[in-house]
Parts: sequence; structure tokens; C-alpha cells
Amino acid sequence: QKEVEQNSGPLSVPEGAIASLNCTYSDRVSQSFFWYRQYSGKSPELIMSIYSNGDKEDGRFTAQLNKASQYVSLLIRDSQPSDSATYLCAVNRYTIKAAGNKLTFGGGTRVLVKP
Amino acid sequence: DAGVIQSPRHEVTEMGQEVTLRCKPISGHDYLFWYRQTMMRGLELLIYFNNNVPIDDSGMPEDRFSAKMPNASFSTLKIQPSEPRDSAVYFCASSPQGLAYEQYFGPGTRLTVT
Repeated sequence: QKEVEQNSGPLSVPEGAIASLNCTYSDRVSQSFFWYRQYSGKSPELIMSIYSNGDKEDGRFTAQLNKASQYVSLLIRDSQPSDSATYLCAVNRYTIKAAGNKLTFGGGTRVLVKP
Repeated sequence: DAGVIQSPRHEVTEMGQEVTLRCKPISGHDYLFWYRQTMMRGLELLIYFNNNVPIDDSGMPEDRFSAKMPNASFSTLKIQPSEPRDSAVYFCASSPQGLAYEQYFGPGTRLTVT
């Protein structure tokens, strides 16, 4: 089982619709959760971070965290063609090593917003 | 403000050659991270530094890989000798607070080893 799993997609959504992306993780001690957007040929950029159970909204983006079920999701409302990109889920978990923390990225979900 | 700066942006080299990738983090950021991204393995954290000190290098794939951070504004990732399977995009990122917080990525270096 991968530490952080995402459906690779592509997730095709019509313009104006809601895109729903899911991410599951295996380690229950995970503490911090991130969604990064990566356009083709570009570097990842953070769009959302969430640390506690529930919903967090920022503009058209909503992150949802459920630690009991070990999943985090991202909703993109009113999807635009400019939202077409790969969305990476990242999970930070504590380890007993001296380093203390470990950050693992999922494989990403490719989203295509069709006009 | 300038973001994370990486050089070179593209590197093509022959198997067996030494490759050095360079990174300048955002001024004031105490954490620096090196990542590798491939289609097969996705984005992987190789090593990260806090205040120029390597904290966790467990992601470094082999002894052929080494990283240094001689000062707060410069880091290198070296591969010696390089192999075709090292072909990937290498990202450097920096953060003011660490792994549990937002990271700012550089544009990446696309490495091709023939």
C-alpha cells in the first residue's frame, strides 16, 4: 500500500462544474496535509493546507480532512480551464527518527476542465 | 522578491559524468529541500536542511548522490557518477518553517543522462 494515494485521472469536468479530488494516506499519525497544483512543465505551488478535521475554504477551493477515515479531499468550485493541471496531495507525518518529520507526496491527479 | 533560483535549467550529460545542480533559497528561509520528480516515482523528497545542517537524507537514493549547503544562500546536489536512471526533474524548495508548512519551489532542473 502506498503511503499517499491519489487517482491519477484524468478527471474531466465541464467548465463551471465542481471538481472533486481525493487523497488517502496510510499513517494515522499524519499531522499536516497540503494540496499543491502543478501545471505541465512547471513547479508545484501550494494552494491549500489543512491541519485539523473539517473543511477549510479559500476562494473557489475547499479542503476537507477526515483523520478517522484517513482521507483528505479538494473541491474546486466553478472550475475554469485555467484549473487544468495536476494536483498533488502531500502528507506530513511524524517519525521517531531524529529528523522528526516526513513529507510524502501522492502521485497526483490530472484535472482537465473543458470549456 | 526573487523566488527560489535553480541552475542550470536543463542539463544533458553522458553516463559516468559528474553533475552538479545548484540552488539559492529565498532569503530568510531556514529550510531547504531537494526533490526529484519522475513519471514512475512521482515527487520524492531527497534531503532537507535546517540552518545549513542536513536533517534527513533518507531519501537520497544511493551514495552517488550528495548534497551540501555551505551557507544560507547556496546549496548543491551532486551526482557522481551519473546514470541514465537519474534522468528526472530536480526541484529545490525552501520554507521559513519546515516540512509541516508551505514550501516554495524553484523552477527545477531537467536532467537527462544519456
